[in-house]
This record gives sequence, C-alpha cells and structure tokens, in this order.
Amino acid sequence: EVQLVQSGAEVKKPGESLNISCKGSGYTFANYWIGWVRQMPGKGLEWMGIIYPGDSDARYSPSFEGQVSISTDNSISTAYVQWSSLKASDTAIYFCVRDGGNSGIAYWGQGTLVTVSS
Amino acid sequence: DIQMTQSPSSLSASVGDRVTITCRASQTISTSLNWYQQRPGKAPKLLIFAASSLQSGVPSRFSGSGSGTDFTLTISSLQPEDFATYYCQQSYTTLMYTFGQGTKLEIK
Repeated sequence: EVQLVQSGAEVKKPGESLNISCKGSGYTFANYWIGWVRQMPGKGLEWMGIIYPGDSDARYSPSFEGQVSISTDNSISTAYVQWSSLKASDTAIYFCVRDGGNSGIAYWGQGTLVTVSS
Repeated sequence: DIQMTQSPSSLSASVGDRVTITCRASQTISTSLNWYQQRPGKAPKLLIFAASSLQSGVPSRFSGSGSGTDFTLTISSLQPEDFATYYCQQSYTTLMYTFGQGTKLEIK
C-alpha cells in the first residue's frame, strides 16, 4: 500500500528556519515525482513545486521560487521542504503528494501544520 | 500560467439533489483536468481524472465531463458525506499544476 507520512505540526517564530518531511512507503521512492501543496488557513490549494528523487531534479512554481527549497534523502525514502527564514505568511498546512500526471494525484500525505508567530 | 476558475464558489443543496460544479481554464487543456473532494481537516481525495474517468473506489454518483476549457463535475444524488469542498486541477502543464479556488458545498 502506497503511503506518504508527514512530520508533525511545528510552531516557529519569524526568521527561524524549518524542515518538514514526507516519508514514502509501499513503492519505489526514487521512481515517482513528489510534489508539495500549500493550503493557507481557510483557503484553497496552491502548487509549490516538485522533485524527482531519482536525480533530484526540482521544479518550483513561480510564487515559491527562492522562498523554499525541496530536496530528498533516497536512503530513507523521504522528501523535505525547507525554509531558511520563515515569515508569518508561511503559516499553512503543507501536503506532500505523489505525482500521477494526467491520472491525477491519488496519494497525499496527511498534511503538516506550520504556524509562524512571534 | 494557466488559471483555473470554478463556479460557484459556494453552493447550498439538499440530500438527494443533483449538483453541478463548473471549472474553466484560461487556455485549452485538452482533457487534462482532475477533480478532488476535501473534507474539513483532511487531505484532498481524487474523484475524477482526465476529465471524465472515475477514480477506483469513488461512487458512481460522481461524474465529470468537458474538454478544452470548460469542465463540469456532477453529483447525481447528494449524500450526507458529499458536503465538502471541491477543487479542480489542471495537469496539462507537466509537473507544474494549478488548482481552482474551490467550491464549498453546504447543506441547505
């Protein structure tokens, strides 16, 4: 069974750094693109970017380019999104997904709530 | 960027009603359109892919249609568990997707 299990909720202050993670299981992690989706409080879904674990090819949505960094550690089948300096506007739920292309996104992590507040 | 616009933004309906939600793309996307259901506090769930293909395990009361720029999601007979928010998503631009703003379906 394909599963994506994300790290737990985080509470951070503005300016702090953060990594959140997404561990894949039930499939060959290196063979599928992993994407990240943001959902701000009470708002819709926003595509952040995507990475291919096989060669670490990462692509970013223009709104997120330079704001976050996406990476993987294939030895532990885990993808990450990283912030070097958080802002209050980064407060959101972040979902990792396994890309399905034109077959849609069938696999989602459970979401990680990030709260940034002074 | 391809913009996706859903209508209506919210909708009130009763159990047993037939409901249609519309999604319009800012440029042609062929049939590269997927629909999701999100219940409060949960991750989205894939309902329909490639505009009209029903995802495995999804009840047949859900159906999708359309191509080019205009798409619809129809729920033929609303059930209590269908009250949720629905999103469309274009997968035409490889690896760089966009979602509609969502349609909240509420109980009348």
